[in-house]
Amino acid sequence: AQKVTQAQTEISVVEKEDVTLDCVYETRDTTYYLFWYKQPPSGELVFLIRRNSFDEQNEISGRYSWNFQKSTSSFNFTITASQVVDSAVYFCALSGPISGSGNTGKLIFGQGTTLQVKP
Amino acid sequence: IAGITQAPTSQILAAGRRMTLRCTQDMRHNAMYWYRQDLGLGLRLIHYSNTAGTTGKGEVPDGYSVSRANTDDFPLTLASAVPSQTSVYFCASSLKVGSYGYTFGSGTRLTVV
Repeated sequence: AQKVTQAQTEISVVEKEDVTLDCVYETRDTTYYLFWYKQPPSGELVFLIRRNSFDEQNEISGRYSWNFQKSTSSFNFTITASQVVDSAVYFCALSGPISGSGNTGKLIFGQGTTLQVKP
Repeated sequence: IAGITQAPTSQILAAGRRMTLRCTQDMRHNAMYWYRQDLGLGLRLIHYSNTAGTTGKGEVPDGYSVSRANTDDFPLTLASAVPSQTSVYFCASSLKVGSYGYTFGSGTRLTVV
């Protein structure tokens, strides 16, 4: 069965600190996508990144970086020099197989991590 | 419209009443989904539709029904609301099954009292 675990329920940091949000997943599929979404206080869900299981290269986008390690089934998200505007709930999500009959388009979400960045 | 429109934005509903949450997209996406968001549980899939005319059950379908008469609309109906259905409901769509590039609506906050 597929499962996504975000063990950190809430994290509080002071502005300019670096913070890492953990995501551990379980799947029997050999191909899959992993996602991160941001949900600011306004409530909408904002797509941040999608990585496929073929590509374990780390990715950096501005202050955001992602560390994907298949060996530990983890897809962690780091915010460097955090800002107050980063305060939000962050969700990690896992897809089913990328192709084949098991490809259903459904995502499995983690429980979410609430990040509070204080000025 | 640009993207997905959900209505209403929020609603307070008496237990036992029937309620339909509306979801309309203008992107001609084939696949559509309904998720509910609850604190500590993340988002859980209620129902989905891979294409117009077909629907399927997700993780938590009990008490909900959907229809997909056309590509654009995917309403979610609560036949007889119960307090445990108090939640934030998100509609999402993707171009096709398995493309996984979701577009989310802005959500409907439903309180059943």
